[in-house]
Amino acid sequence: AQSVSQHNHHVILSEAASLELGCNYSYGGTVNLFWYVQYPGQHLQLLLKYFSGDPLVKGIKGFEAEFIKSKFSFNLRKPSVQWSDTAEYFCAVRGTYKYIFGTGTRLKVLA
Amino acid sequence: DAGVTQSPTHLIKTRGQQVTLRCSPKSGHDTVSWYQQALGQGPQFIFQYYEEEERQRGNFPDRFSGHQFPNYSSELNVNALLLGDSALYLCASTEDGRRDEKLFFGSGTQLSVL
Repeated sequence: AQSVSQHNHHVILSEAASLELGCNYSYGGTVNLFWYVQYPGQHLQLLLKYFSGDPLVKGIKGFEAEFIKSKFSFNLRKPSVQWSDTAEYFCAVRGTYKYIFGTGTRLKVLA
Repeated sequence: DAGVTQSPTHLIKTRGQQVTLRCSPKSGHDTVSWYQQALGQGPQFIFQYYEEEERQRGNFPDRFSGHQFPNYSSELNVNALLLGDSALYLCASTEDGRRDEKLFFGSGTQLSVL
């Protein structure tokens, strides 16, 4: 079955701390992976995506993610978080037409 | 360049009623998908419309139906509302066939069923 698992449901960090959010997927076909972010009061927007090539992908606002095929993982990282990174983060894998999302991780960054 | 717009933003209905939600895709996009996001969950795929036809459907009952118009806008209809239909309903659009396709989301319609 196609699925996405996000292990951390709530994360609280202080500013300047490093961030890593876990994402594991189960999907049998060609893998297209995404991280979406939802800032408070805003719509879901794309943070970064992996289609092929370099497994380390860089996105907006200093975020990056690494695709590790052998581990079926696509973890999101940021070396130093800011208060403005407070948001909910969703990992997703694209099927033929649909996207399969994880349950999300709520990140709170303390100033 | 307008993004994805949805209306209304909030809606309160009672059990058994019917509801229609509307979506206008981002300019240049021809494909519209609908997702349901229950509290504490990630978005769940309802269906996708392309060329005015339902192209794929998720695990939702027939009470959920949709439509796409020639101008690519779309409606989501839910009949015989249940309490469990309370959720944020998201519309997302994309341009079919693009290699670097990504979804653009609207802000959603928050549906409360009492």
